[in-house]
Amino acid sequence: EPEVTQTPSHQVTQMGQEVILRCVPISNHLYFYWYRQILGQKVEFLVSFYNNEISEKSEIFDDQFSVERPDGSNFTLKIRSTKLEDSAMYFCASSQRTSGGREQYFGPGTRLTVT
Amino acid sequence: KNQVEQSPQSLIILEGKNCTLQCNYTVSPFSNLRWYKQDTGRGPVSLTIMTFSENTKSNGRYTATLDADTKQSSLHITASQLSDSASYICVVEAGNNRKLIWGLGTSLAVNP
Repeated sequence: EPEVTQTPSHQVTQMGQEVILRCVPISNHLYFYWYRQILGQKVEFLVSFYNNEISEKSEIFDDQFSVERPDGSNFTLKIRSTKLEDSAMYFCASSQRTSGGREQYFGPGTRLTVT
Repeated sequence: KNQVEQSPQSLIILEGKNCTLQCNYTVSPFSNLRWYKQDTGRGPVSLTIMTFSENTKSNGRYTATLDADTKQSSLHITASQLSDSASYICVVEAGNNRKLIWGLGTSLAVNP
């Protein structure tokens, strides 16, 4: 069964460093998402991406964040200058269509630890 | 304000027993309600998606109910197994902007 994959599974970085989190969505999906989950808190929406551009972003997704689909398979989240509060699980998800009852398939997540 | 509240926060049951998890929401307009299972350190996995017109939906040993009038949903797990130990998250999609409003989840532990 096709699944969303994410790399790395765990990333440790120092405050102020740039990190790139990578995701390979399910191949025939058109909509891509990034979410984050701080330990013990709710899952939070960051950004959605369709047709090579951001379709929606949350207030969390400020100028230090960017997303890219550099080729036909990868979908990346870049954090330019990490802060301690960026420590969280980051989940990528994809769907065939935008919501409206369409299922989003989540990857296993990348645990980001900023020291 | 659009919110999703779940209860209980955590639950411990013995293997083989049934349990019911609750979800109350204030999301308006409503599009659909989803239940996800999230194993520790893993991504959420969809269990059910229910629209306004659906009162109940089953997925194996999982049965979700929806009362759109009272804005409540429940997830019933029958004959629990050790592998059911996870967080169960209720998520409501808003009908106007398609945003997913997430609950905090109920942490379920199934003990032998």
